[in-house]
Amino acid sequence: GAVVSQHPSWVICKSGTSVKIECRSLDFQATTMFWYRQFPKQSLMLMATSNEGSKATYEQGVEKDKFLINHASLTLSTLTVTSAHPEDSSFYICSAPPHRGYNGYTFGSGTRLTVV
Amino acid sequence: AQSVAQPEDQVNVAEGNPLTVKCTYSVSGNPYLFWYVQYPNRGLQFLLKYITGDNLVKGSYGFEAEFNKSQTSFHLKKPSALVSDSALYFCAVRDGNAGNNRKLIWGLGTSLAVNP
Repeated sequence: GAVVSQHPSWVICKSGTSVKIECRSLDFQATTMFWYRQFPKQSLMLMATSNEGSKATYEQGVEKDKFLINHASLTLSTLTVTSAHPEDSSFYICSAPPHRGYNGYTFGSGTRLTVV
Repeated sequence: AQSVAQPEDQVNVAEGNPLTVKCTYSVSGNPYLFWYVQYPNRGLQFLLKYITGDNLVKGSYGFEAEFNKSQTSFHLKKPSALVSDSALYFCAVRDGNAGNNRKLIWGLGTSLAVNP
């Protein structure tokens, strides 16, 4: 199997504060994690790719200092939205690519972030 | 350039009728094709994939898709729709010849509404 546990499921924070979202691979080692952002009724927008032991690769137009991504271990990747603003409100989803023993992509359940 | 097109924003079908959600793609190498379903405020659930082999792929919940190389299509089908199939459906493609680049290219999604 392949399970990615994403927490929190939802969070409400005040403008200017930071929020950390965690994704853990529960039964496999994820050397890579994709982080997506999704606006209501829209497709997934790839923000960045985290790699264990190295810097994340950000997609064009994504602010590195705004969205801090850390791949601390083979089972944990985190996305921190720093100094959050209302326009950062969105649905964030992580995904692990195929790995040994499972040739599909595994998605976390998503985090609904609301910045007030 | 690699791309995925889901030409229909929304598909409406009566319960018990067959359904089709369309997807066409463009990749430079061999396509790895995927269908995912998303329910409101949830992560993505895997339905089926085509990597190689039989062009007709059977997946979860009675869904199937047919890989058509000449038409570069991978339409999702189900013989008899259920109200519970109402959700957002995403088609995605990966270039199978892209080596370690395992990014998925996503369609914009199709909202399926099954009416009782």
